Amino acid sequence: DAGVIQSPRHEVTEMGQEVTLRCKPISGHDYLFWYRQTMMRGLELLIYFNNNVPIDDSGMPEDRFSAKMPNASFSTLKIQPSEPRDSAVYFCASSFHSFQETQYFGPGTRLLVL
Amino acid sequence: DAKTTQPNSMESNEEEPVHLPCNHSTISGTDYIHWYRQLPSQGPEYVIHGLTSNVNNRMASLAIAEDRKSSTLILHRATLRDAAVYYCILRDVEGSARQLTFGSGTQLTVLP
Repeated sequence: DAGVIQSPRHEVTEMGQEVTLRCKPISGHDYLFWYRQTMMRGLELLIYFNNNVPIDDSGMPEDRFSAKMPNASFSTLKIQPSEPRDSAVYFCASSFHSFQETQYFGPGTRLLVL
Repeated sequence: DAKTTQPNSMESNEEEPVHLPCNHSTISGTDYIHWYRQLPSQGPEYVIHGLTSNVNNRMASLAIAEDRKSSTLILHRATLRDAAVYYCILRDVEGSARQLTFGSGTQLTVLP
């Protein structure tokens, strides 16, 4: 298995532009998570899905952020309009519902908003 | 989720054992102890987890105190590739929340 795939790996954009981050979870996993990592706040959960349905989006900073999971093999995190404070590394992770529920993380997307 | 406390940083010499401590004095009976690590410029990766008994896998060992208020991640022979931030996380298997709550972790430096 290729693991969790994220694209792009790096994104540089200007303030006000729309940014779309993409994630392909591990096949067969029914949970998908979006995390954000900054120096100031560390790793924090933004939103997670179970069977393509958003379960907890309380970590989404504001209305500028939206996430979708149209099918079991694809999810997007969109920021519109982007702001410099959105600069961070965004990780996608997936897991299979089990007693252990190990989460597998993608390599992350490093976003810089100028 | 109950909180964990870890030292901010630790150093180890290459090929020596490393003991990474974690305090979790408010742990509940249904909390599993999970360890993840994050290598530089990578996403976190699972290391090991346990409930009450000590656990071993190919990456590490987990020693859990009898009262479960603390645990120790043991790397038996540290290599330079083990330099990472190590996170100790409690997961309530009976809770509805499925996300991981990361603290600040311990930055492990391995000296050649």
